[in-house]
Amino acid sequence: DTGVSQDPRHKITKRGQNVTFRCDPISEHNRLYWYRQTLGQGPEFLTYFQNEAQLEKSRLLSDRFSAERPKGSFSTLEIQRTEQGDSAMYLCASSFPSDQGNTIYFGEGSWLTVV
Amino acid sequence: AQKITQTQPGMFVQEKEAVTLDCTYDTSDQSYGLFWYKQPSSGEMIFLIYQGSYDEQNATEGRYSLNFQKARKSANLVISASQLGDSAMYFCAMREGALTGGSYIPTFGRGTSLIVHP
Repeated sequence: DTGVSQDPRHKITKRGQNVTFRCDPISEHNRLYWYRQTLGQGPEFLTYFQNEAQLEKSRLLSDRFSAERPKGSFSTLEIQRTEQGDSAMYLCASSFPSDQGNTIYFGEGSWLTVV
Repeated sequence: AQKITQTQPGMFVQEKEAVTLDCTYDTSDQSYGLFWYKQPSSGEMIFLIYQGSYDEQNATEGRYSLNFQKARKSANLVISASQLGDSAMYFCAMREGALTGGSYIPTFGRGTSLIVHP
């Protein structure tokens, strides 16, 4: 399978705990995106990497959120001191700029439930 | 202001009929791209179709076509010959060009739920 993969697919955590999600993009895609999606909403942009550089962050990305892409391949999204409002699906996507207008391809998402 | 507007929260269609899902967008860029994605109940966002702002022909991909009306800033998705497996959420998205400082990051609408019944 050469698509975007995310791990874990589901995570239940207690409020105040830290969680980390991993994303492996499509190989050779140099752009990687994180989005958050809550029930009844479309995906909301969180942050974007080109290679290993984090080029843009949304105001939604509070200080408790941090994302890395250390070698320009896989990425991690960490949420510290989770709150119930962090419960959502976290979607990772990747793209190659010249591919059909920079079409982004998503993984299956990581569902987070904070109890 | 919303950049992507999907005014239909839910749509119903009978199997084998065609259905149109509406999408309007707002941008001052001349170069931009429009996308449609399908999200079944499993959660994965599946890319369906792309239309560039400079493309003169409407995009088509199998049973999907994009009715692009630039002057009206609309990019409606048409699904022909609906199948039961088409039941899902459908999201319209726009990527604004880099010429005016856009960052190529797609912005999504709130989606339309499509139910295909036998």
